[in-house]
Order: sequence, then C-alpha cells, then structure tokens
Amino acid sequence: GAVVSQHPSRVICKSGTSVKIECRSLDFQATTMFWYRQFPKQSLMLMATSNEGSKATYEQGVEKDKFLINHASLTLSTLTVTSAHPEDSSFYICSAPNDGTGPGANVLTFGAGSRLTVL
Amino acid sequence: AQSVTQLGSHVSVSEGALVLLRCNYSSSVPPYLFWYVQYPNQGLQLLLKYTSAATLVKGINGFEAEFKKSETSFHLTKPSAHMSDAAEYFCAVSSSGGYQKVTFGTGTKLQVIP
Repeated sequence: GAVVSQHPSRVICKSGTSVKIECRSLDFQATTMFWYRQFPKQSLMLMATSNEGSKATYEQGVEKDKFLINHASLTLSTLTVTSAHPEDSSFYICSAPNDGTGPGANVLTFGAGSRLTVL
Repeated sequence: AQSVTQLGSHVSVSEGALVLLRCNYSSSVPPYLFWYVQYPNQGLQLLLKYTSAATLVKGINGFEAEFKKSETSFHLTKPSAHMSDAAEYFCAVSSSGGYQKVTFGTGTKLQVIP
C-alpha cells in the first residue's frame, strides 16, 4: 500500500532556530501534499497545500514566512518552521493523496507525524 | 461548506462490548466520508471510507460504518471491543472529491476497560 514517510518524528530546538520536516511518498508520486498541525486534544488543522513545481497554498491565518513549504519533487515536500518560538510547539503531520486505483485510491495517506518542541 | 460533529470526546467501553462512535456531517453536496484512527504520537490511519457506493461500509480491524443520509450520520461501530482498539478516532468529510479539502472532526478518544 501507499506509504508516506515523515522525518524527524521528534525534534527539540532552541527558540529562534529553524527546523525542517520532510515528507516523502515512498511508492507513489504525489503532486500535492498537505500539511496539518494538531494541538493537544484537538483535531487536525490544515495549514497548507504543497504543490509540486509551484507555490504552496496557505490556509487563512497561517503565516507564509513562518512556515516555508517546498515541494522539490514528486515524492518530497518539506516544511520549515523558521525562527521557531515556544508557541510553534506542536504535532505536525503531512499527508499525500493516492491517485492510483484500487481500495487505496483517492484517499489520504498520512505520515507518522513530527512532534516539535521549542524551548 | 462542510463540517463534521463528533459527539463525545471520550468514550469508554468494556473489552468485548459494542463500540459506537458517533459522527454527524454537514455538506452541500453528496459527501465523501471517512473514519481515521490515530495512535499516540502517530499519524492517521484510514479505517474506512464512504464514496456513494454501499451505505454500509466495512473497514479494517472489524470496524464498519453506516451512511444515513436522512440523519446525516456516519457512525462507526464494532461488535466487540479489543484492548488494541484504544486510540483516537476522527471522522472526516470531503465535499469536493476523495481528498481535496478534507475537514476533520474533533476526535473521540476510545478507552477500552479490561
């Protein structure tokens, strides 16, 4: 089945530094990937849609300069949290749609998530 | 516009008992509906999906859900709870296709009591 690999699973950084999170589709190509943020005991909030070969589409209220998204290839999207602050601490999850056929078609495959802690 | 309401942020059941997690949706067009499960510090795993075919959808791990248009509901059930079912469950809706602009509910945490 479709697999999305997300790395790192956990990262701790100092305030003011930048952190990069990678999301890879391992056995399928993804022209689109989605980035979510999940606060404790809450649902997933869509932050942005990553588009291969073009600019990401950000949801309302999400700072483009704070959360840089790059979709470098058909299998890789990265989220960089720039000048991180404690309030950026959260669980970030990526997903990619599987455009193939069969039972897994037209559904989102999620990465395992990245827990960011900013000290 | 689309939305999902999950009734009950926490549900506790005894091992072997029926699991019922409630989900009501709102959508201006025929929806795609999903149930996902999330284990601690992990991403979401698809349990099952409804895409306008059979109204009773069977998923993995013995779960199933029934689409009821008249009630705008898509409740998740499992006849007999297992300890490994303890997790958080999210109902989700998409009005514009299988994965575009998916809206998630706030989740229901399932506790299974031995």
